[in-house]
Amino acid sequence: ETGVTQTPRHLVMGMTNKKSLKCEQHLGHNAMYWYKQSAKKPLELMFVYSLEERVENNSVPSRFSPECPNSSHLFLHLHTLQPEDSALYLCASSHSPPEVEIYNEQFFGPGTRLTVL
Amino acid sequence: TQLLEQSPQFLSIQEGENLTVYCNSSSVFSSLQWYRQEPGEGPVLLVTVVTGGEVKKLKRLTFQFGDARKDSSLHITAAQPGDTGLYLCAGMYSGGGADGLTFGKGTHLIIQP
Repeated sequence: ETGVTQTPRHLVMGMTNKKSLKCEQHLGHNAMYWYKQSAKKPLELMFVYSLEERVENNSVPSRFSPECPNSSHLFLHLHTLQPEDSALYLCASSHSPPEVEIYNEQFFGPGTRLTVL
Repeated sequence: TQLLEQSPQFLSIQEGENLTVYCNSSSVFSSLQWYRQEPGEGPVLLVTVVTGGEVKKLKRLTFQFGDARKDSSLHITAAQPGDTGLYLCAGMYSGGGADGLTFGKGTHLIIQP
């Protein structure tokens, strides 16, 4: 496997379910990100992990819970979601500053298309 | 909140035509990137521009960074159906550490054969 992979690619869940999204990167990066992409909205940054520590949490509801066990893996745990959480969830990775010559160029996975019923 | 405005939001043209899409902000970027996203896939990085006034070319695509580093444009020459996709600009603002990028809403481009 190369690049950034995400599983599952599609997920349908009820509001009372608990599920997890998985992301894995094979690029030797040390920063990983979760984004939400909804129709007619810009990509919304949800969480940032750098060197396995969470460095940003953009006011995301607690029904989304990230986990980064190591620099290659990132999870997004989901519980009691709402229909408005239906979206494409994208994982990305990059090198982390202070390597200043690296301008946070991010490599994205294919995303998980989530539908909440 | 820092915003990136992209225009046009939608563009549909015939194969062989030229086009330009724009990305604007009131804030200064330390760097700006352009991505292309196809349906069912994640965005793929096309280019990073760093220096004000910089111009980069990628085959038929020409990227320009404004002198003040607040805006950028993407020009496509002789567009082909394979250029169809969502074009996203994303900026990193000065002082950003291990932060994610700020994205625009994108330009949906359709090239008709």
